[in-house]
Amino acid sequence: QVQLVQSGAEVKKPGASVKVSCKASGYTFTGHFLHWVRQAPGQGLEWMGRINPNSGGSNYEQKFQGRVTMTRDTSISTAYMELSRLTSDDTAVYYCARGLTAMTLGEEDYWGQGTLVSVSS
Amino acid sequence: DIQMTQSPSAMSASVGDRITITCRASQGISNYLAWFQQKPGKVPKRLIFAASRLHSGVPSRFSGSGSGTEFSLTISSLQPEDFATYYCLQHSTYALLTFGGGTKVEIK
Repeated sequence: QVQLVQSGAEVKKPGASVKVSCKASGYTFTGHFLHWVRQAPGQGLEWMGRINPNSGGSNYEQKFQGRVTMTRDTSISTAYMELSRLTSDDTAVYYCARGLTAMTLGEEDYWGQGTLVSVSS
Repeated sequence: DIQMTQSPSAMSASVGDRITITCRASQGISNYLAWFQQKPGKVPKRLIFAASRLHSGVPSRFSGSGSGTEFSLTISSLQPEDFATYYCLQHSTYALLTFGGGTKVEIK
């Protein structure tokens, strides 16, 4: 079965960087885009960007341009999201997800369990 | 960027009520819209794709409609397990997605 398993919670200081991993299993890793979505405490969902695991190409929400980098390692079916110059506003649960843009019946959406990133001095 | 304005941001309703949530896009997005449900402490799950198509396993009391800039999610008879937060998601712009602000449905 398809699974996306993310790395554990992180505590960072302002100005630092964080790198969250998302290990995929149960399907062909290079066959599906992976998205990163975050959710601040008590707030809504915010799309950050996506990566094409096949080519490594990525697209980012303008708000995160210059601060976010999405990469992948196909040898271990793992995607990464690195966010730099952290501030307290980056405190959130970060999700990787697949299948958000499906337009055909039968294409499921899958989500990682979420990674809490806390930014505090 | 395409903005998604979702309303209301919160609502109270009773079991058995019919409720409608709307999303308005800042420009036309055809039918590239999905609806997600999220319960506290859980990951979101998709209910509707392509604006009006029910995801597999989703009860038929859920329905979606709309095209272009105006969309709605309707629950025909609210059940206890439907109290949650709902989000629309547009994906018409190449490689740029936008969630609506969310609608929290609470028990009256």
